[in-house]
This record gives sequence, structure tokens and C-alpha cells, in this order.
Amino acid sequence: GESVGLHLPTLSVQEGDNSIINCAYSNSASDYFIWYKQESGKGPQFIIDIRSNMDKRQGQRVTVLLNKTVKHLSLQIAATQPGDSAVYFCAENRVTGGGNKLTFGTGTQLKVEL
Amino acid sequence: DSGVTQTPKHLITATGQRVTLRCSPRSGDLSVYWYQQSLDQGLQFLIQYYNGEERAKGNILERFSAQQFPDLHSELNLSSLELGDSALYFCASSVEGTSGRSGYEQFFGPGTRLTVL
Repeated sequence: GESVGLHLPTLSVQEGDNSIINCAYSNSASDYFIWYKQESGKGPQFIIDIRSNMDKRQGQRVTVLLNKTVKHLSLQIAATQPGDSAVYFCAENRVTGGGNKLTFGTGTQLKVEL
Repeated sequence: DSGVTQTPKHLITATGQRVTLRCSPRSGDLSVYWYQQSLDQGLQFLIQYYNGEERAKGNILERFSAQQFPDLHSELNLSSLELGDSALYFCASSVEGTSGRSGYEQFFGPGTRLTVL
């Protein structure tokens, strides 16, 4: 997968393969980084988070890697399934004035081919 | 189903008009967030309310305003509408919204699609 840009990048993978979706972030002050999944016609859905002082976190079939040196975040999906087809957004969280502010990347479209 | 409801699902109106979008958060969630999703700007944070008070502000235009009522539902008011305001507007809620996962793990509603003609 490619980093986000002005146009929504697309990653096509075969069912059963692993997917890697990349994201570049800009704000070093963010305390958490999060991945959201948005299926067609629905709102975004929380997948996994990672604290800024960690470099790896694993969930069920998903792993998030954080490289603060180059401000890069990636989401790895193991054994990709058709139900994984969606747009994936990375997001940075900052606590500001007692509230939470999420800044989303422009997203990557994941297409799973049977 | 996230538990967040938004009405209406679709809204078609003309330039210069004013509309109100409504959101009911998940039961027990104190924070409500509003986002705008358009093709050219992506998903943009507009504003957050926590238990009736404004807590964080993003790229919200002066023509837009929001509030959260004592029963915790929220409304987003958009006035003097322009063609560029056409977008999906999402509401999200979270348990707390002050810091940590209780804030950034947000549950999104299905959205309101606004079309300005």
C-alpha cells in the first residue's frame, strides 16, 4: 500500500494474502495513533490503536507498526478476507483543551479479489 | 450497528438555506463529535461536545454551529449553505472524550448525506 495522497490510493490483494496499508503522519505531538475501517455506505469503525511510545501492537489478524523516526504508521492484515474490503484510515489523536481531536488521513481503498 | 443514530439520512436543499442535522449518541456516551466527509477534503473533524459543553474545535466554519442538549443528543446547524457544503456529515460518540482510549475510540453513526443544489 502507498501513503495517502490527494487521490484515494487502492490496494488490491488476493483472498488469503496479507495486506499492508501505509500512512504518513505529520504531528509528533499525537499521543495515540488509530486505524479506522469504513465500509461502503457506513461510518468509520475503530480497528486498533497504538500509543505513541510503542512501536508494535497486535490484535486479531491485525498488527499496527509505528515508526516515529520517519513518522510512518502501517496496518497489516493477515489472511485477508472479502469482508476486509473497505477504506482504511489512519488517524492521529491529540488531547486539546480537555477534548479529543482526531485528524484522519485521506484513506486507502482495500480491494480483496477472490 | 454502532448504536449512534443520525437523522435525516439524506437532505437536499438549495444554496443560502439552513439545515439542522440530528444525532443521538450511544447510551451512556457523554461525548459527541461531528465530522464532515467530502471527496476533496476527506474526513474532517468539526467539533466535540462533552456533557453539554464544547470541548474541542476543528475546521468548523462560522456558518456552522452545534450544541449538545441535556439528554446528550446533539444538533449540527448549517446556515447560508453553499455548493461546497455538499458532503457526508458524521456524528460519533465516545464514552468520555477527555483523554485516552475512552476518547479516541469513537463510534460513528451512518451519516447524513447533504446535497446543496
